[in-house]
Amino acid sequence: GENVEQHPSTLSVQEGDSAVIKCTYSDSASNYFPWYKQELGKRPQLIIDIRSNVGEKKDQRIAVTLNKTAKHFSLHITETQPEDSAVYFCATGGKLIFGQGTELSVKP
Amino acid sequence: ETGVTQTPRHLVMGMTNKKSLKCEQHLGHNAMYWYKQSAKKPLELMFVYSLEERVENNSVPSRFSPECPNSSHLFLHLHTLQPEDSALYLCASSPFLEQDLHYEQYFGPGTRLTVT
Repeated sequence: GENVEQHPSTLSVQEGDSAVIKCTYSDSASNYFPWYKQELGKRPQLIIDIRSNVGEKKDQRIAVTLNKTAKHFSLHITETQPEDSAVYFCATGGKLIFGQGTELSVKP
Repeated sequence: ETGVTQTPRHLVMGMTNKKSLKCEQHLGHNAMYWYKQSAKKPLELMFVYSLEERVENNSVPSRFSPECPNSSHLFLHLHTLQPEDSALYLCASSPFLEQDLHYEQYFGPGTRLTVT
């Protein structure tokens, strides 16, 4: 069946450093690749998404890159800030399967 | 109220009880979803409705029964649950759902369910 693997499960960085989270997927028909951020005790919220006809998309300090051949896509956060601390989820596939989540901790 | 709302926010129920979770979206969206979020586990898609028609049922036990009376409301009826069903149940909506073509999902705040 469809599968989405997300790594790492936890990530700790110093404020100002970059953070990269990667997801690999199995469904070659996947055409939509969103990333959601869930702060502690809050609902998941979309932070950036990309469709399969685009290789990269940026929005200020965050970017998503997609490699359809290798079936993986990544979230890049530059100049991290303490308020970036949260759990990040990728998702894709016909049934929109979510990855296991990455707990990002940004230390001031 | 705007966005996606869910009631109740917290629910404690015994294994023999019957209860219902309610979700309402004020965004004019056509698709609605139920997810289960357990500790240390990814979001698990349970049900999907598009224009009030169920389009996805992800092998969910029959003790969970969804209902979508119109495109703004979604219910999850619960009966004879098990302790392992304790989790955060999230509702979401999206503008459309067309043949595996997904759009941004807007999540509600969730219902924290505890089964005793």
